[in-house]
Amino acid sequence: DQQVKQNSPSLSVQEGRISILNCDYTNSMFDYFLWYKKYPAEGPTFLISISSIKDKNEDGRFTVFLNKSAKHLSLHIVPSQPGDSAVYFCAANNFNKFYFGSGTKLNVKP
Amino acid sequence: SQTIHQWPATLVQPVGSPLSLECTVEGTSNPNLYWYRQAAGRGLQLLFYSVGIGQISSEVPQNLSASRPQDRQFILSSKKLLLSDSGFYLCAWSRRTDTDTQYFGPGTRLTVL
Repeated sequence: DQQVKQNSPSLSVQEGRISILNCDYTNSMFDYFLWYKKYPAEGPTFLISISSIKDKNEDGRFTVFLNKSAKHLSLHIVPSQPGDSAVYFCAANNFNKFYFGSGTKLNVKP
Repeated sequence: SQTIHQWPATLVQPVGSPLSLECTVEGTSNPNLYWYRQAAGRGLQLLFYSVGIGQISSEVPQNLSASRPQDRQFILSSKKLLLSDSGFYLCAWSRRTDTDTQYFGPGTRLTVL
């Protein structure tokens, strides 16, 4: 049973526009959420995180929003750049274990 | 700063052969260590995690095993590889005092023929 889900396998956005990646989770005990970026044949790199006591965290062009009542989080990238093209994974941390979604492949077109 | 190493980077093995993948972490002590697999077009599947030397938790029943002979060393093994073991294997670590963020190694591409 997958506790973290990314229902959009791919997303295509024009350079300069906003990219919105979505993630849903089922376990209300999750208290920390993370986004990772992954290029082919490389390990994921940590991007941004948010604690369950917050509903928004911003770092430069990246903002993560958390809606606990809906068990939903999203990553906004503004403005999107071609170098942002990668697979994005959301993850939830619960007592030393990290649960990952299946990833969304973002393509930013020049 | 902390770094995590994995080797080999790529590996091609015949079905039925043994496997040993190694992961080491530098610059930190007592990390939590993890092995993941990413099959083609799939997400990250947690295989094993360890909170200390000799302490291994298995998440998925399979023909793989893991060992942690030293504090910062994590080994993934198999006695006989299956075709379905092909994938991209990732080692990761997190701090015990701060388990909020997990850091990944560069990965090993395993192809079983």
